[in-house]
Amino acid sequence: DVKVTQSSRYLVKRTGEKVFLECVQDMDHENMFWYRQDPGLGLRLIYFSYDVKMKEKGDIPEGYSVSREKKERFSLILESASTNQTSMYLCASADWQETQYFGPGTRLLVL
Amino acid sequence: AQSVTQPDIHITVSEGASLELRCNYSYGATPYLFWYVQSPGQGLQLLLKYFSGDTLVQGIKGFEAEFKRSQSSFNLRKPSVHWSDAAEYFCAVGARNQGGKLIFGQGTELSVKP
Repeated sequence: DVKVTQSSRYLVKRTGEKVFLECVQDMDHENMFWYRQDPGLGLRLIYFSYDVKMKEKGDIPEGYSVSREKKERFSLILESASTNQTSMYLCASADWQETQYFGPGTRLLVL
Repeated sequence: AQSVTQPDIHITVSEGASLELRCNYSYGATPYLFWYVQSPGQGLQLLLKYFSGDTLVQGIKGFEAEFKRSQSSFNLRKPSVHWSDAAEYFCAVGARNQGGKLIFGQGTELSVKP
């Protein structure tokens, strides 16, 4: 079974803090994704990566950056957290058949 | 424009009743189609997927979906709903050589009455 893990299930941060959300997959997938999920807005793609050190902006990259130093790990960084970044963050990786597998999610609260 | 529409935001069915969740898509290439389920506070779990071949696909938990190209639809069905099926369901579309990038519908929340 594909396993995608995320470093935290719940996170509380203060405005202005730098926040790291980490995602690890164990299936040697090349493609990885970060989404945020908000009520009524569905899943919105923040960033994705096709390979190590490669990244592309998704639909809502503003206020976020990413890092992919190793194939199995894809990190989402909030350089200076703001209250409007309070959300559920979902990581996924995709296999050669274009199928995405999701982690359990991180619920982030920015105070 | 590429899009996925799930017309029903919220559906309530009685336990034991049949279920059909609707999904319509607009996509330029030959689509790959997916249904995912999300329990409260959890990530998305793949229910089933369609790439080619038989247009009726079977998934986990007793779900099935039928691809109808002429209607641009990929509706999800289950003959008898269980209380544990209460969750949010997402339809998604992708294509070959898109790097796994998917377009998701807004989701349909399913409630199950005892």
